[in-house]
Amino acid sequence: LAKTTQPISMDSYEGQEVNITCSHNNIATNDYITWYQQFPSQGPRFIIQGYKTKVTNEVASLFIPADRKSSTLSLPRVSLSDTAVYYCLVGDRPYSSASKIIFGSGTRLSIRP
Amino acid sequence: DAGVIQSPRHEVTEMGQEVTLRCKPISGHNSLFWYRQTMMRGLELLIYFNNNVPIDDSGMPEDRFSAKMPNASFSTLKIQPSEPRDSAVYFCASSAAGRSYEQYFGPGTRLTVT
Repeated sequence: LAKTTQPISMDSYEGQEVNITCSHNNIATNDYITWYQQFPSQGPRFIIQGYKTKVTNEVASLFIPADRKSSTLSLPRVSLSDTAVYYCLVGDRPYSSASKIIFGSGTRLSIRP
Repeated sequence: DAGVIQSPRHEVTEMGQEVTLRCKPISGHNSLFWYRQTMMRGLELLIYFNNNVPIDDSGMPEDRFSAKMPNASFSTLKIQPSEPRDSAVYFCASSAAGRSYEQYFGPGTRLTVT
């Protein structure tokens, strides 16, 4: 079972690019990397998913090196509204069992003016 | 699309009482998930349904917890009897076929057991 490790918290300023790295040394060949965002008093929201190299959507980019033992979520030009907890998940697609769905502690991102 | 609907949004009950949480998934989604979130334990998956059938309930903490999905548009999570340590925010999420990695969460039910 691939375990993920993320920084507990990060701080940044409006307009900056923020990169949150997730380590997953035991990732399996058929595992994908998924990131969620959770605002206070709300449920998590799917942001992005990738398998290798780079994936980009309107919200973020996901960079995955060749060995896939880590991944980096990149948020361009953050604003105060990006203050949230960000979770990295690793699992097959679709999830073959509930044991694959582990949100962990996440990274608490605080954006300052 | 109304998104995932949960009710009630807040529930306060006394220890020993039965609590029923309700969820209406997004129309057309065939997977449904129940989660519990606390400060101490984070976000934990309790049970996972696929096409109304429970696939994995290994996260259900004990026999006091039960979940049902009688049809594609409704699910319940029941706690009987409730205990103070069950106080948490309970989320329901749903996903489309083959896309269980992309879950849509409801607003949650904040349960307080006194």
